Amino acid sequence: GDSVTQMEGPVTLSEEAFLTINCTYTATGYPSLFWYVQYPGEGLQLLLKATKADDKGSNKGFEATYRKETTSFHLEKGSVQVSDSAVYFCALEGGSGNTGKLIFGQGTTLQVKP
Amino acid sequence: NAGVTQTPKFQVLKTGQSMTLQCAQDMNHEYMSWYRQDPGMGLRLIHYSVGAGITDQGEVPNGYNVSRSTTEDFPLRLLSAAPSQTSVYFCASSYSTTASTDTQYFGPGTRLTVL
Repeated sequence: GDSVTQMEGPVTLSEEAFLTINCTYTATGYPSLFWYVQYPGEGLQLLLKATKADDKGSNKGFEATYRKETTSFHLEKGSVQVSDSAVYFCALEGGSGNTGKLIFGQGTTLQVKP
Repeated sequence: NAGVTQTPKFQVLKTGQSMTLQCAQDMNHEYMSWYRQDPGMGLRLIHYSVGAGITDQGEVPNGYNVSRSTTEDFPLRLLSAAPSQTSVYFCASSYSTTASTDTQYFGPGTRLTVL
């Protein structure tokens, strides 16, 4: 079945460092891909998305490119801030599309130190 | 506009007790769903609904019941709680099932402990 694998955390960085969180997926067809962020004590918020191969999603300085050839959707940010400390989830829309069913990776905790 | 609300925020149950987790949204969304979040496992879909009167099972439905009598509300019922149901539960909603175009909004979660 469809699945998402994320790099193990936690990831600890200093402020202004470069961030990469790896995400790879297994799916039939061409799923839409998402990154969600969960700040402490809150629910998940959509960070960015990409709906087809080679699309780049971006928001708040974060970027991710849908790579069909490597089945990856790695999250990057050029200069992290303390306020970026959160849990980041990679996800895909399961099934044959338009199902609304999100399949999540296990989450990666990011801690940014001043 | 409150978005997606969940009650209670925290709950402790004894094994065998029953309870209902409440979820409501005020965005007139047709699609609603329940996920559970466990350490190291991400979120897993329990049940979902594509509209009032229509529900279906997700990946981990055993031990949970749902109903959808109105567009706004989507309660999750635990009939006989078990320690394996200790988790954080999230409700989500969106306008349609097309996740690629309609953002899913998540509630703040309910942290449930079953002793």
